[in-house]
Amino acid sequence: EADIYQTPRYLVIGTGKKITLECSQTMGHDKMYWYQQDPGMELHLIHYSYGVNSTEKGDLSSESTVSRIRTEHFPLTLESARPSHTSQYLCASSERENTEAFFGQGTRLTVV
Amino acid sequence: GENVEQHPSTLSVQEGDSAVIKCTYSDSASNYFPWYKQELGKGPQLIIDIRSNVGEKKDQRIAVTLNKTAKHFSLHITETQPEDSAVYFCAASRSGYALNFGKGTSLLVTP
Repeated sequence: EADIYQTPRYLVIGTGKKITLECSQTMGHDKMYWYQQDPGMELHLIHYSYGVNSTEKGDLSSESTVSRIRTEHFPLTLESARPSHTSQYLCASSERENTEAFFGQGTRLTVV
Repeated sequence: GENVEQHPSTLSVQEGDSAVIKCTYSDSASNYFPWYKQELGKGPQLIIDIRSNVGEKKDQRIAVTLNKTAKHFSLHITETQPEDSAVYFCAASRSGYALNFGKGTSLLVTP
């Protein structure tokens, strides 16, 4: 079992609300990632971080933002949720590039 | 950037048969090729990976082959079992970059 945790597992929220998806890992990994997984299964990289105070946008444009104040914590925030944000969000971490990425169980977000 | 194509998108085999999933990549500088298995309600989990200096790697019933010249790599599962049913993702990356995933293959193993 990987030591990477996401909360909440499921979230149903109204349009316009601000939400934060939590992701924590206890492996001391510098590299952390957020992927959005659409109903067709495809994984899209939306944010990544290579260490504290380092964040970059991924290949898929996203209205979300991230922060990396501590090594173990990489939260994702949506300032104003919309139905188009409904998706599964997966957090991952790795010790280095080009090594195994460990995934959390995901947060399934529904915006109504 | 890197583009990873994965085929087929769905695959149904009978228990005991072999399953093969194929991926191609576009960036010749990619040097790391992992395969992930995602079961329902869980995050993807690494099952095997291969680096560009190796042509083949095997772990019990699972094997991966890499053809750098053709820029394709394949996952082979032998003696399939119902518990092999899941979604499988290939991925590719180069040093300093995050993983790029294929679109996934939904494998169903019927008893």
